[in-house]
Amino acid sequence: AQRVTQPEKLLSVFKGAPVELKCNYSYSGSPELFWYVQYSRQRLQLLLRHISRESIKGFTADLNKGETSFHLKKPFAQEEDSAMYYCALRTGANNLFFGTGTRLTVIP
Amino acid sequence: EADIYQTPRYLVIGTGKKITLECSQTMGHDKMYWYQQDPGMELHLIHYSYGVNSTEKGDLSSESTVSRIRTEHFPLTLESARPSHTSQYLCASSEPSSGTPEQYFGPGTRLTVT
Repeated sequence: AQRVTQPEKLLSVFKGAPVELKCNYSYSGSPELFWYVQYSRQRLQLLLRHISRESIKGFTADLNKGETSFHLKKPFAQEEDSAMYYCALRTGANNLFFGTGTRLTVIP
Repeated sequence: EADIYQTPRYLVIGTGKKITLECSQTMGHDKMYWYQQDPGMELHLIHYSYGVNSTEKGDLSSESTVSRIRTEHFPLTLESARPSHTSQYLCASSEPSSGTPEQYFGPGTRLTVT
């Protein structure tokens, strides 16, 4: 069975400080992982996917199969980064399995 | 404009009532999903559909049912609402193309059963 763990429900950082949102997974197949974000009063939307190896809004995430992790990082947090972040794992039926989410607050 | 719509946005209803949560998309997507999310908890997939006349149960067992008579429409029905059904329900859609398609989410319906 699959599992996605986001150990921090809440995370606060100061503006300009580095931020790391943790995600660990458990999956017997070949993992494909994603980060989704929900800004205040907006819909849940895709932020980035590991397979694209892209940087979106300054965020990056590297899949570490040895540590079964997919942590989301940004070197300098901005106030507009305050949001709810969900890590998600693709399952065999091409669906997504979500973690519980981390609420990031960037303090001005 | 291509979008995914959910109605109602908020619903407060008494125990035992039958309810239907509407979801429609003009994205031209074949695959659609329903998620249930309790406050502070994961999004749980409860139903999905590959296209017309296709419905599948998701990871979380649910007393709700769905139908897919038209590509753009994927309603969710609860025959007899109970307080345990109080939750947020999110609808999403995606293209079933090769690779892992991005899921597009609706605004959600917050259901309260009294």
